[in-house]
Amino acid sequence: DIQMTQSPSSLSASVGDRVTITCRASQSIATYLNWYQQTPGKAPKLLISASVNLQSGVPSRFSGSGSGTDFTLSISSLQPEDFATYYCQQSFATPLTFGGGTKVEIK
Amino acid sequence: QVQLVQSGAELKQPGASVKLSCKASGYTFSNYDINWVRQASGQGLEWLGWMNPNTGRTGYAHKFQGRVTMTRNTSITTAYMELSSLTSDDTAVYYCARAITSWFRDFDSWGQGALITVSS
Repeated sequence: DIQMTQSPSSLSASVGDRVTITCRASQSIATYLNWYQQTPGKAPKLLISASVNLQSGVPSRFSGSGSGTDFTLSISSLQPEDFATYYCQQSFATPLTFGGGTKVEIK
Repeated sequence: QVQLVQSGAELKQPGASVKLSCKASGYTFSNYDINWVRQASGQGLEWLGWMNPNTGRTGYAHKFQGRVTMTRNTSITTAYMELSSLTSDDTAVYYCARAITSWFRDFDSWGQGALITVSS
C-alpha cells in the first residue's frame, strides 16, 4: 500500500497567516493527489484534485502543487472558516490511502 | 443539486453484519462511481472500496476483502455497502462519496455519514 505522510500533524496560526501543509507519498504517484478539508462533525470537502486543480467554489487563497512524491497545500491568507483538519489522498493505486491529517488551529 | 443521503446510525453486536444505504439525487446515478470511506472517532479516513453503478463492477481494499459487499439498485438510485463479521474495530462513521472522475477518484460529494457502533 502507498503510505501518505502529512506534516505537520497540527499547527497554530493566526488569521491572515500563510499556511503550508505537506504530504509525502511512499512512492511516486505522479499527480494523483487530492486535498480535502474537514470540520468537526462534517463530511470532508474536496478542495483540490490532481495536485493543482482548484474545485469550483473553493476560494483562490487555496492552492496545491507537487508531483511524484512531494506535495503541498497552501493557504495564502488564513480566514476564520479555514480552521479545520486537512487530508491528502492518493488515487494512483488501490487501496486509496489518506494522509493522517493536519489540524489547523487558531493561535 | 447533487445529494447523497445515507441511512441512519446503527448499533450492532460483534459478529453481526450491517448494510448501509446511500440514496443519490441531483445527477445521473449511473455516470459516477460510488466509494465508501470510514472514520473512527478522532481518527483519519480509511477507504473501503468503490462501485460502478452502471456495471455493478466493484473494487475493494484488500483489508476488507471477503467482508465487504457493495451493490446498487439503479431504479431507486441507491448504493449499498454491507460489512460482515463486525468487531469493535469497525466502530466508525461510514461515508459514501461520489467520485467525479474514475481516474483521479476525487470525491466531490459526500453523504452525511452513518455512525456504526459495534458493541455487546
